[in-house]
Amino acid sequence: EDKVVQSPLSLVVHEGDTVTLNCSYEVTNFRSLLWYKQEKKAPTFLFMLTSSGIEKKSGRLSSILDKKELFSILNITATQTGDSAVYLCAVDPRGTYKYIFGTGTRLKVLA
Amino acid sequence: SAVISQKPSRDICQRGTSLTIQCQVDSQVTMMFWYRQQPGQSLTLIATANQGSEATYESGFVIDKFPISRPNLTFSTLTVSNMSPEDSSIYLCSVAMDTEAFFGQGTRLTVV
Repeated sequence: EDKVVQSPLSLVVHEGDTVTLNCSYEVTNFRSLLWYKQEKKAPTFLFMLTSSGIEKKSGRLSSILDKKELFSILNITATQTGDSAVYLCAVDPRGTYKYIFGTGTRLKVLA
Repeated sequence: SAVISQKPSRDICQRGTSLTIQCQVDSQVTMMFWYRQQPGQSLTLIATANQGSEATYESGFVIDKFPISRPNLTFSTLTVSNMSPEDSSIYLCSVAMDTEAFFGQGTRLTVV
């Protein structure tokens, strides 16, 4: 059965800290892995990863994929209170765009 | 990218009634999907909305409960029928473009 597992489930840090969020997966015919940030209702796109070892970077956020070990990490440096959200990882298991989502990591950044 | 308008943004409904959620995309897209996010849970795919043919439902979801329409390449509706409190969730429409998935603003449904 295809599955996506995220850890930790929740995390509380102080502003300025660096956090690492994990996403592991077991799927057939892996096509891509996506990271989203969900603050209220609609997830907003962060990164799409398809190749191992190539870091994607956007400001203080970065992400990398390891297709051999079947996981990805999302790093956030110098965290701010505005980073507080649920971070979702999603995998396309068969190249059909029918993404399987992990349960998410709830991040809370304290001022 | 795609701009997706979803409405209503929220509603409170009586059990036994039905609610239709609309999703409008600013460009023609082949792939449109409907997801559900129950309280404290992640997103679960309900069905793929196919233009010109019946929707394709995932395991655990049936057409009688979640009828879907897709009259053209920019619009779809999802109806939640004969609602019960267990249907209280966020419902999201999504489109796939260039291997990315974009989401509407979501509909927060509360069934009382």
